Amino acid sequence: EPEVTQTPSHQVTQMGQEVILRCVPISNHLYFYWYRQILGQKVEFLVSFYNNEISEKSEIFDDQFSVERPDGSNFTLKIRSTKLEDSAMYFCASSEVRGQVYEQYFGPGTRLTVT
Amino acid sequence: AQSVTQPDIHITVSEGASLELRCNYSYGATPYLFWYVQSPGQGLQLLLKYFSGDTLVQGIKGFEAEFKRSQSSFNLRKPSVHWSDAAEYFCAVGFNNAGNMLTFGGGTRLMVKP
Repeated sequence: EPEVTQTPSHQVTQMGQEVILRCVPISNHLYFYWYRQILGQKVEFLVSFYNNEISEKSEIFDDQFSVERPDGSNFTLKIRSTKLEDSAMYFCASSEVRGQVYEQYFGPGTRLTVT
Repeated sequence: AQSVTQPDIHITVSEGASLELRCNYSYGATPYLFWYVQSPGQGLQLLLKYFSGDTLVQGIKGFEAEFKRSQSSFNLRKPSVHWSDAAEYFCAVGFNNAGNMLTFGGGTRLMVKP
């Protein structure tokens, strides 16, 4: 069964450093997402991406964040200058259909720890 | 803005007992409703979904959920819980006029007693 994969599973970085979280969505999916979950809190939407551009983004997704689909398979989330409060589990998701809410398939997550 | 509430943070049930996890949402538009399960160290696995039609939907692992528009609820049920069902369960809601983002509830951690 196809699945979303994410690397690395755990990333430790120092405050102020740049990090790139990587995701490989399901191959025939067209819509990609990033969510995050701070420990003990809700899963929160960050951004959605379709046709090589951001479709929607939340208030959390400020200028420190960017997303990219550098090739036909990877989808990345970059945090330019990490802060302590960026420590969270980051989930990538993908869905097949655009235009309405549809089934989103989630990866296993990357735990980011900022020290 | 839309919000999703899961009133029970923790629930403990005995193996073989029935289970109901509650989920309520607030917003006026037509909702798309999902339940996800997260086992320790794992990602979010889709259990079931409701888009339209029959308000009682069946999912994987013997779970079902019922959409009640009058109560703005989408409660998850299972008639007989197995020890392997111990996990965290998340209700999520999307709306047709709010793009593709999902809004998640806070989650309910299920513990199963032998």
